[in-house]
Amino acid sequence: DAKTTQPPSMDCAEGRAANLPCNHSTISGNEYVYWYRQIHSQGPQYIIHGLKNNETNEMASLIITEDRKSSTLILPHATLRDTAVYYCIVRVASGGSNYKLTFGKGTLLTVNP
Amino acid sequence: DTGVSQDPRHKITKRGQNVTFRCDPISEHNRLYWYRQTLGQGPEFLTYFQNEAQLEKSRLLSDRFSAERPKGSFSTLEIQRTEQGDSAMYLCASSLGPSTGGAEAFFGQGTRLTVV
Repeated sequence: DAKTTQPPSMDCAEGRAANLPCNHSTISGNEYVYWYRQIHSQGPQYIIHGLKNNETNEMASLIITEDRKSSTLILPHATLRDTAVYYCIVRVASGGSNYKLTFGKGTLLTVNP
Repeated sequence: DTGVSQDPRHKITKRGQNVTFRCDPISEHNRLYWYRQTLGQGPEFLTYFQNEAQLEKSRLLSDRFSAERPKGSFSTLEIQRTEQGDSAMYLCASSLGPSTGGAEAFFGQGTRLTVV
């Protein structure tokens, strides 16, 4: 799987949008971008994933650049409960080890009141 | 759907003792995974089951570690002769598979092991 690069930490004011960047410059055409988050002392939680197009669900939006070398996770109205470590993961679409998630150190997002 | 359940949540053991953890996946999920997480690091893959078959074991899984999923439902992870370096959070996850894109995995709350 391609490696990802994320800033170690970010701050965001409560109620504002949180934009978390991820670089994956070596991503292959058949690899998806996944985002998970981990709130302190809990297991990771799936947020969203995408291949080429931007995606949105009830939790967040995922913006993938046209060349697919980077992406941004957007939490539109961050709350204190969004304080967590956010992991950007690239995973092959099918076959091979596509069942496996390779976590980096992620970005610690701190939402401040 | 009650989510992925792990038991116990916390375990303190003396070095050299054996410990066993249990994971109950989401009922219809055929895939089950174990990960380990140490402080300040992201989770690391340990092993993977599809139904009852263990299809991959990481190099992190030394011969003191054994995992089973006897009926393709719950799974156990046993660590024999525990060492202080085994202290970590052990996470279980499950998913439906195979599927293009890789179905998202749902994680349990983890078992935190402390070896003293």
